[in-house]
Amino acid sequence: NAGVMQNPRHLVRRRGQEARLRCSPMKGHSHVYWYRQLPEEGLKFMVYLQKENIIDESGMPKERFSAEFPKEGPSILRIQQVVRGDSAAYFCASSPPFGGNEQFFGPGTRLTVL
Amino acid sequence: DAKTTQPNSMESNEEEPVHLPCNHSTISGTDYIHWYRQLPSQGPEYVIHGLTSNVNNRMASLAIAEDRKSSTLILHRATLRDAAVYYCILRDVTTSGTYKYIFGTGTRLKVLA
Repeated sequence: NAGVMQNPRHLVRRRGQEARLRCSPMKGHSHVYWYRQLPEEGLKFMVYLQKENIIDESGMPKERFSAEFPKEGPSILRIQQVVRGDSAAYFCASSPPFGGNEQFFGPGTRLTVL
Repeated sequence: DAKTTQPNSMESNEEEPVHLPCNHSTISGTDYIHWYRQLPSQGPEYVIHGLTSNVNNRMASLAIAEDRKSSTLILHRATLRDAAVYYCILRDVTTSGTYKYIFGTGTRLKVLA
């Protein structure tokens, strides 16, 4: 059973460009979480999604950031008009239906904004 | 907003036990205590979790204080592969049913050969 997959693993963008980060949850998991980690800091919750629904986006910046988890395909975290402060590692985690006691994390996407 | 307090760093000798403390004085009755670890350049990895009773699994043991305001992760025999940042997390269940994790800065464990 493959784990949580994220791609790309590394992404370089220039200021003003768009970044798209993809997350494929573990098989059978319908809950997806996105976290952001700045250098030397812990992970910060961004958003929690179920298939076709955003359940909790209390950690998402108000502008430029959006997330989706369509019926088919991976979850996408989209950052428009990136700025240098968006440089970070973005981790996706998944869990089975009904929450469960454990979140399974992917390897992360490291975004660098030049 | 972290609900947990951990020492920034700890050192241990290889093959010796390690006790990683965590304070969570504002814990509520329904908060589970979770421990994850993050190896360099990797995503966090589940270690163990508990509610009130002490817990054991193949990776570690979790000792929870009687008042639940603190807990200790115990690695029985540290190896070089255990060098990582260890996060003590309270699983926060929101009104929308979100099981989101509130990470602190964790404890960086260094294992000496």
